[in-house]
Amino acid sequence: GAVVSQHPSRVICKSGTSVKIECRSLDFQATTMFWYRQFPKQSLMLMATSNEGSKATYEQGVEKDKFLINHASLTLSTLTVTSAHPEDSSFYICSARAGTALSGANVLTFGAGSRLTVL
Amino acid sequence: DQQVKQNSPSLSVQEGRISILNCDYTNSMFDYFLWYKKYPAEGPTFLISISSIKDKNEDGRFTVFLNKSAKHLSLHIVPSQPGDSAVYFCAASFLGTYKYIFGTGTRLKVLA
Repeated sequence: GAVVSQHPSRVICKSGTSVKIECRSLDFQATTMFWYRQFPKQSLMLMATSNEGSKATYEQGVEKDKFLINHASLTLSTLTVTSAHPEDSSFYICSARAGTALSGANVLTFGAGSRLTVL
Repeated sequence: DQQVKQNSPSLSVQEGRISILNCDYTNSMFDYFLWYKKYPAEGPTFLISISSIKDKNEDGRFTVFLNKSAKHLSLHIVPSQPGDSAVYFCAASFLGTYKYIFGTGTRLKVLA
């Protein structure tokens, strides 16, 4: 089946530094990828939609200058958390649509997630 | 405003019995619903979905029921197995889009 790979799975950084998270579709091309964030005991919240070859679309309340998204190829999207602060500590998950699925046209495949801890 | 709610944060069920996980939504325009399962330190994996034109969809041990008038869906797992222990998220979306609105999840523990 479709696989979405996310790297790194865990990262710890100092406050003020930038962190890049990669999301790759391994066996399919994804013109669109989605970035979610999950705080402890909360639901996954959509942050932005990453579009190959064009600008990302951000959800209301998400700072585009803070969370830089680049979708340079059909298999890779990156999320860069710039000047990270402790409040950015969270679980970041990417997802992609692997073409049309027999079980439903709206099914997304998720990566394993990246846990960011900002000290 | 939480548009998709899972009011039970946790559920414990004996192995072999039925697990019923519930989900309520507020937006009647949602027309596609999904259930995902998530193990610790992993991303969510797709389980089963249902469109609003149906009221039931079955896949092996998993059945999703949709009650549009009550804006309620449920996931039934029969028989429950210890490997089913995970956090289950329901999600709602609009058919043709990939913008999912997730619930807060229900942690299912199946006791051997």
